[in-house]
Amino acid sequence: DAKTTQPPSMDCAEGRAANLPCNHSTISGNEYVYWYRQIHSQGPQYIIHGLKNNETNEMASLIITEDRKSSTLILPHATLRDTAVYYCIVQGAQKLVFGQGTRLTINP
Amino acid sequence: GAVVSQHPSRVICKSGTSVKIECRSLDFQATTMFWYRQFPKQSLMLMATSNEGSKATYEQGVEKDKFLINHASLTLSTLTVTSAHPEDSSFYICSARVREWGYGYTFGSGTRLTVV
Repeated sequence: DAKTTQPPSMDCAEGRAANLPCNHSTISGNEYVYWYRQIHSQGPQYIIHGLKNNETNEMASLIITEDRKSSTLILPHATLRDTAVYYCIVQGAQKLVFGQGTRLTINP
Repeated sequence: GAVVSQHPSRVICKSGTSVKIECRSLDFQATTMFWYRQFPKQSLMLMATSNEGSKATYEQGVEKDKFLINHASLTLSTLTVTSAHPEDSSFYICSARVREWGYGYTFGSGTRLTVV
């Protein structure tokens, strides 16, 4: 499975859009990009996934570059409850392997 | 939908005893479940893949005899930490793939194990 690179931490003001980048330059054609988040002392939560088209759901938007080598997760109006570790994972075969993720802190 | 219920959420046990953690898929069938362990300030580490009706597949470095996994039905997988020691204290999380989510993963709420 392709490796991903994320910044270790980010800050965002409450009410603003939070844009979390992810690099996955070795992604192969049939691998999807998934985003999960983990709030302290809880199990991870699925957010969104995509292959090559941009995706949007009630939680977030996912923008994937045309060459698929990077993506951005957008939380349009961040709240304090969005403070969490966000994981970008390229998911191919059976196993889901977590990197270190981005620790996003939403500030009041 | 696609909820995985994990119990207990928190357990304290004495060194040398065994602890069982249950993971149930409530509204879907999970032929495969995954068990993770997470130490403080670290990411999740996959321990094993649990397959319904067959033996679990363990990741390198995970002791099969210490972490017993049973997946007897399409909705239940259990992880038993045998002869627990303080170094087994960790956050244990189960997960399953959901076809309706493009085979994304749903996760249990985790079990905080403390061995004293």
